[in-house]
Amino acid sequence: GDSVTQMEGPVTLSEEAFLTINCTYTATGYPSLFWYVQYPGEGLQLLLKATKADDKGSNKGFEATYRKETTSFHLEKGSVQVSDSAVYFCALMVSGYSTLTFGKGTMLLVSP
Amino acid sequence: DSGVTQTPKHLITATGQRVTLRCSPRSGDLSVYWYQQSLDQGLQFLIQYYNGEERAKGNILERFSAQQFPDLHSELNLSSLELGDSALYFCASSVEGQGSGGNTIYFGEGSWLTVV
Repeated sequence: GDSVTQMEGPVTLSEEAFLTINCTYTATGYPSLFWYVQYPGEGLQLLLKATKADDKGSNKGFEATYRKETTSFHLEKGSVQVSDSAVYFCALMVSGYSTLTFGKGTMLLVSP
Repeated sequence: DSGVTQTPKHLITATGQRVTLRCSPRSGDLSVYWYQQSLDQGLQFLIQYYNGEERAKGNILERFSAQQFPDLHSELNLSSLELGDSALYFCASSVEGQGSGGNTIYFGEGSWLTVV
């Protein structure tokens, strides 16, 4: 079946540090890949997405590249802010199906 | 603001009771999805409706049911509630019914259910 594996958190960084959150996937078909973010007390927000191999999704300084050869979609940001503290979810959607399969989420804590 | 509206935001109820969670999708979206988020299970897909008809079913218990009405709003009914049903229930919506690169799913802020 389809699955998403994320690095376990929490990830604790100082402001302006470089961020990487690893995400790998297993899919029965050809997936689109997503990163969602959940800020404290809020719902899930779409952060970025990529729909085919080698696509790079980007938003708010975050980016992730769809790597088919390594089945990965790692999230990166060059300089994190305290306001980036949240839980980040990697997810996939297989073409022809409409449901998202999520990873377990990675909590990011950024200190001043 | 995603445009997906869920009510109530918080709900506390006793074991054995029944509750209904309500969702209004984004304007123009025909698909509605329900997800459950709990500490032990993470985010689990429950069920999807597209234009009033059930489209996909995930890990939804028999005690739970859902429907989508002609005005496209949806309700999730949870009955014979158990302590383990305490979770955050998300509704989400999208334009399309089947997956494609353009089919982005937008989530509401969720309904917190506490069963005591």
